Amino acid sequence: AQSVTQLDSQVPVFEEAPVELRCNYSSSVSVYLFWYVQYPNQGLQLLLKYLSGSTLVKGINGFEAEFNKSQTSFHLRKPSVHISDTAEYFCAVKDTGTASKLTFGTGTRLQVTL
Amino acid sequence: GAGVSQSPSNKVTEKGKDVELRCDPISGHTALYWYRQSLGQGLEFLIYFQGNSAPDKSGLPSDRFSAERTGGSVSTLTIQRTQQEDSAVYLCASTPGPGNTIYFGEGSWLTVV
Repeated sequence: AQSVTQLDSQVPVFEEAPVELRCNYSSSVSVYLFWYVQYPNQGLQLLLKYLSGSTLVKGINGFEAEFNKSQTSFHLRKPSVHISDTAEYFCAVKDTGTASKLTFGTGTRLQVTL
Repeated sequence: GAGVSQSPSNKVTEKGKDVELRCDPISGHTALYWYRQSLGQGLEFLIYFQGNSAPDKSGLPSDRFSAERTGGSVSTLTIQRTQQEDSAVYLCASTPGPGNTIYFGEGSWLTVV
């Protein structure tokens, strides 16, 4: 079984500042890793995913994440945030063997202000 | 269709009534998932379909919850004798297979009064 821990429930940040949203996972098997974003009153949208290969993954809207196997982490970063990045961000993990379920973290609310 | 389609988008029902929520996955996607998102909470896994079979239904919270999938396509989540704690957004997702992106629908907002 897998589990995901998002250490920060809320992250306030000023516009144009950098941000890092933390994600740690636990699994006994190889995993795929994902970050999803949920804007207010909308469904989930994939930001980026790590399947294999380069540990630095670039996604949409200027976000990137780095897979660190030794630290079992997959932190999400953006060098300069915009007001429009205000949303809930979910880290998720699934094992590589089958089309099994995604296990989500509890989410991090990113609040960008002027 | 272009994406995962769910209906109804909003449903208000009285406590004790049964409700059915429908999911139309992206054409050709063999795997289908149901999740529940309660206010201010994360996403709770309910059930996963591969084709028409459900290899993992471990997340269904009680025997009032059931789901089926027919023709390897449309899925219906049924909640019998609804309770107020069932109020949540029910999200459906689909994917062609392992390693592929899992696409989510907009969700069905269920309110039990």
